[in-house]
Amino acid sequence: AQSVAQPEDQVNVAEGNPLTVKCTYSVSGNPYLFWYVQYPNRGLQFLLKYITGDNLVKGSYGFEAEFNKSQTSFHLKKPSALVSDSALYFCAVRDEFYTGGFKTIFGAGTRLFVKA
Amino acid sequence: DAGITQSPRHKVTETGTPVTLRCHQTENHRYMYWYRQDPGHGLRLIHYSYGVKDTDKGEVSDGYSVSRSKTEDFLLTLESATSSQTSVYFCATLASLSTDTQYFGPGTRLTVL
Repeated sequence: AQSVAQPEDQVNVAEGNPLTVKCTYSVSGNPYLFWYVQYPNRGLQFLLKYITGDNLVKGSYGFEAEFNKSQTSFHLKKPSALVSDSALYFCAVRDEFYTGGFKTIFGAGTRLFVKA
Repeated sequence: DAGITQSPRHKVTETGTPVTLRCHQTENHRYMYWYRQDPGHGLRLIHYSYGVKDTDKGEVSDGYSVSRSKTEDFLLTLESATSSQTSVYFCATLASLSTDTQYFGPGTRLTVL
């Protein structure tokens, strides 16, 4: 079964510093990986995805993620953190249904705090 | 939020009562999903729909049922609510298998006393 793990419950970073939110995955076959962000009292918003191709994927709000097959990781990164980046971040992987659709399997989430 | 609304947004109910949550979308997306969000668990799939009247169970479906009589509406019913069903419930949609990206509603916070 497909799964993702986010080893950190919380990440703290100072504004202007680079940030990394970690994710590791376990899949059979080719991984379809995603990052979503959730702001307080809101639904999840898509940030970026990796399907195939370049290992560095660029997404919304200046975020990027690095796919590393040998380490089975898909870490989220941003060169310079903003206070407004403070939110809950979810790594996710696509899993397929026998009915032909698919579902998204989410990690437990990592809360990012960016301090001014 | 890609035209997805959920109602109610907040609900407090008592153990043993039936509860129905509604998800409405205006995007004509084929696939719809119900998730629950609990601390330390991320989002877990309850049920999903792959078309009108076509539904199937997710990983935490016990105690829940769903119905989809038209493309735009996906209902989640708790037949007899329990305190363990206190959670935040999110609806999501997916246009097609080729798009990959799900869109989420704003969520419903349900408290079962």
